Amino acid sequence: RKEVEQDPGPFNVPEGATVAFNCTYSNSASQSFFWYRQDCRKEPKLLMSVYSSGNEDGRFTAQLNRASQYISLLIRDSKLSDSATYLCVVISNFGNEKLTFGTGTRLTIIP
Amino acid sequence: DTAVSQTPKYLVTQMGNDKSIKCEQNLGHDTMYWYKQDSKKFLKIMFSYNNKELIINETVPNRFSPKSPDKAHLNLHINSLELGDSAVYFCASSQLGRANYGYTFGSGTRLTVV
Repeated sequence: RKEVEQDPGPFNVPEGATVAFNCTYSNSASQSFFWYRQDCRKEPKLLMSVYSSGNEDGRFTAQLNRASQYISLLIRDSKLSDSATYLCVVISNFGNEKLTFGTGTRLTIIP
Repeated sequence: DTAVSQTPKYLVTQMGNDKSIKCEQNLGHDTMYWYKQDSKKFLKIMFSYNNKELIINETVPNRFSPKSPDKAHLNLHINSLELGDSAVYFCASSQLGRANYGYTFGSGTRLTVV
């Protein structure tokens, strides 16, 4: 079983819609959680960290459920520029802060 | 001013050759990483150095040897290249203890072994 699991999609969503992605992680000792975004043929970039109380950054809301070992990302009022692969990322070892990536969820926003 | 720069951007080479990829960061970070992204787009860590000391060495063939001459540079040398080494290799840097600020990734080196 992969340490971080995501639905690979693809998700094809009309512009303006709300879309949600989920992710589960297997290591209950995991410490830190993130969503990264990767555009086609580009490097991954940090979208947002995920905090226990949930957090929002503009149209993006991230939630963490430690009991269920589950992370989510909600995108409201989706824009064409949101088309990308969204990577769920976990740090399980606080000593070396190794990022463990999920396989990513591919999102395409349709005009 | 590029924060994490990798060279070359593209590398096409024959099986059996030896090649190097270079990485430099000007962010003042103390930790650097090599990640491999395979054809299925899965990103997996290979190595990490903190202040020139190897702190992560995942199960990677001995043909791969990282070298960190100083904390701003992390190079990757690959001996006897195989077809399965074809992938995108990303260098990244961070400040240990500040992972919440995110890693900064280089733009990647697309290696094709023919």
